[in-house]
Amino acid sequence: GAGVSQSPRYKVAKRGQDVALRCDPISGHVSLFWYQQALGQGPEFLTYFQNEAQLDKSGLPSDRFFAERPEGSVSTLKIQRTQQEDSAVYLCASSARDEQYFGPGTRLTVT
Amino acid sequence: QQPVQSPQAVILREGEDAVINCSSSKALYSVHWYRQKHGEAPVFLMILLKGGEQKGHEKISASFNEKKQQSSLYLTASQLSYSGTYFCGTSNAGKSTFGDGTTLTVKP
Repeated sequence: GAGVSQSPRYKVAKRGQDVALRCDPISGHVSLFWYQQALGQGPEFLTYFQNEAQLDKSGLPSDRFFAERPEGSVSTLKIQRTQQEDSAVYLCASSARDEQYFGPGTRLTVT
Repeated sequence: QQPVQSPQAVILREGEDAVINCSSSKALYSVHWYRQKHGEAPVFLMILLKGGEQKGHEKISASFNEKKQQSSLYLTASQLSYSGTYFCGTSNAGKSTFGDGTTLTVKP
């Protein structure tokens, strides 16, 4: 079956621009996670949804970061007024129970 | 606090064995392991749950010592396809925290 998909795969933004990153989880997966991965490091937790409820957003680095999952399926991570330090790969994962299935990620470069 | 992995890097010949360790300063309820190849998404390998239940999908084994707050991943008779970066992660109430990874290189 189809896995987790993310779009766009690559995004170049000028500093100060807003960006929106999309995640399509595996159908029927209740849980959805967003991570930020810097080069040479492990995924760093940003936020977690169970259905449409955002249960934990403690990893969002600043109030410029906002995530939503209004219908409990597709999720969008929005970054406002992007800064250079936002450059990273943003990974989305979905889960039915314990294991997480990751999407291919969106590589964001802020110039 | 993120779990600590060791070693940071391993180079093996095909057919050799490897052990990757993951330790945490906090109590562990579950440990999960992933492999990530360059430019690709992390792929689930195994999860170990408090109480001893273990679930995995590949011919890789792992141990989970709750008292020592450690987990180890055992790769036996390594194949070229095992090359990649291995991450351990710990979960608590939905939030997952990952180590910085162990890079495994298997040479022919």
